[in-house]
Amino acid sequence: DAGVIQSPRHEVTEMGQEVTLRCKPISGHNSLFWYRQTMMRGLELLIYFNNNVPIDDSGMPEDRFSAKMPNASFSTLKIQPSEPRDSAVYFCASRGQSNTGELFFGEGSRLTVL
Amino acid sequence: AQSVAQPEDQVNVAEGNPLTVKCTYSVSGNPYLFWYVQYPNRGLQFLLKYITGDNLVKGSYGFEAEFNKSQTSFHLKKPSALVSDSALYFCAVRGSNDYKLSFGAGTTVTVRA
Repeated sequence: DAGVIQSPRHEVTEMGQEVTLRCKPISGHNSLFWYRQTMMRGLELLIYFNNNVPIDDSGMPEDRFSAKMPNASFSTLKIQPSEPRDSAVYFCASRGQSNTGELFFGEGSRLTVL
Repeated sequence: AQSVAQPEDQVNVAEGNPLTVKCTYSVSGNPYLFWYVQYPNRGLQFLLKYITGDNLVKGSYGFEAEFNKSQTSFHLKKPSALVSDSALYFCAVRGSNDYKLSFGAGTTVTVRA
C-alpha cells in the first residue's frame, strides 16, 4: 500500500497568491482529515470528511481556506489569498471504516508564505 | 470537551535505559487512546492504541503503554531505549462516540549514545 500521498511536499509562495494542497487517501478509507502543524499551536484539525462529505469544518481558520473532496481518492485544501501566518506544515490523514481505527498520515506539505 | 496533556516538553535518556513519556487525558465517555511518533520532516506514524481490554498495550518498535483509568493516564514506555528512538512523540485521545482526535503538544525524546 502506498499510504497517504500528499503534494507538493514543499511550497514557497508570495503573500496574496493562491495555494492548493493535494491529498490521495489510502484506498478503501472513508474518512479524511486535514491538520495543520505549527510550533505555536501544535496539531490543529482543520476539516473532516466522511464518505466525501464535509462533516466538520469548524477548524478552518477563515474564509480564505476551503477544502473539497470530489471523490473517494482525492482531496484539496486551498488557501486564497495566502498570508505569511498561513506558513505551516499541512497534513492529510485517512482512516478506514472501523470506528476504532487509527489515522494514517501523509508526509505533509510544508508551506512558506513570504 | 476532550484534551490531552503531555507534561514534559523534553525527555532525555541514555541508550539502554528505560524510556517513559507521560500522557494524561480528559474525555467524555470511553476513551480511545493513541500514540504517534514523528521524525524530522516526516508525517506522524502510528505506534499503538488502547480501545478496550488489557490495560497494557504493546505496539511497534518495542513500545508499550499502560492505560490507567483512575489516573486518566496513558504513559508510553520502552524498557531499553535506542538512539534511533529520538523523535517527537504525540499522545492523542477521542471519545468512543466521537471522530475528532485531539493531540497533545508533543514530547521530544532524545536518546544519547
